[in-house]
Amino acid sequence: NAGVMQNPRHLVRRRGQEARLRCSPMKGHSHVYWYRQLPEEGLKFMVYLQKENIIDESGMPKERFSAEFPKEGPSILRIQQVVRGDSAAYFCASSQGEGKPQHFGDGTRLSIL
Amino acid sequence: AQSVTQLGSHVSVSEGALVLLRCNYSSSVPPYLFWYVQYPNQGLQLLLKYTSAATLVKGINGFEAEFKKSETSFHLTKPSAHMSDAAEYFCAVSRTGTASKLTFGTGTRLQVTL
Repeated sequence: NAGVMQNPRHLVRRRGQEARLRCSPMKGHSHVYWYRQLPEEGLKFMVYLQKENIIDESGMPKERFSAEFPKEGPSILRIQQVVRGDSAAYFCASSQGEGKPQHFGDGTRLSIL
Repeated sequence: AQSVTQLGSHVSVSEGALVLLRCNYSSSVPPYLFWYVQYPNQGLQLLLKYTSAATLVKGINGFEAEFKKSETSFHLTKPSAHMSDAAEYFCAVSRTGTASKLTFGTGTRLQVTL
């Protein structure tokens, strides 16, 4: 029974490049959440998606960041034209819905050179 | 709006001693409350959750937490610390009635000494 799968575990990009982070939720989970963790800080919510729909993107920066959860395939968090400040650990979580706990992946650690 | 405050960014206890990690929340609606643990370079693992059933919640690895509405608290305890408990602990809150986002505290790093 696989948990939440994120890949890659580590991603290095140069300033100005694009970063794509992937998340496959647990089997049977239709709710996906993305969080960002800066060094020595807690997790900050970015976006909440269900299949083909963005439910809440209140934590997502207005520019350069986008997320999707297509009908088929993993959820993707995309960061265009990365800058040094984007360096962080990005965590994906999934759940079965209201009142159910979120289960987290091991994260993608993004480093910007 | 919801928020969580974790008092003490670092807590150190001796092996075998009581563990007490503090969490206070603020919520305009009845909350769901969670404790997660994070080991280095890993994701968050759910320890326990409160979803308006029993106020004393038992979790994994011997941890438990008590929901006290009058104090708006959800402190995490364990009677006897083990070396393997050394990790970062996060308290989180979400709204009831929805599958909404988690709002996390800033975390408490637990150190266990011999």
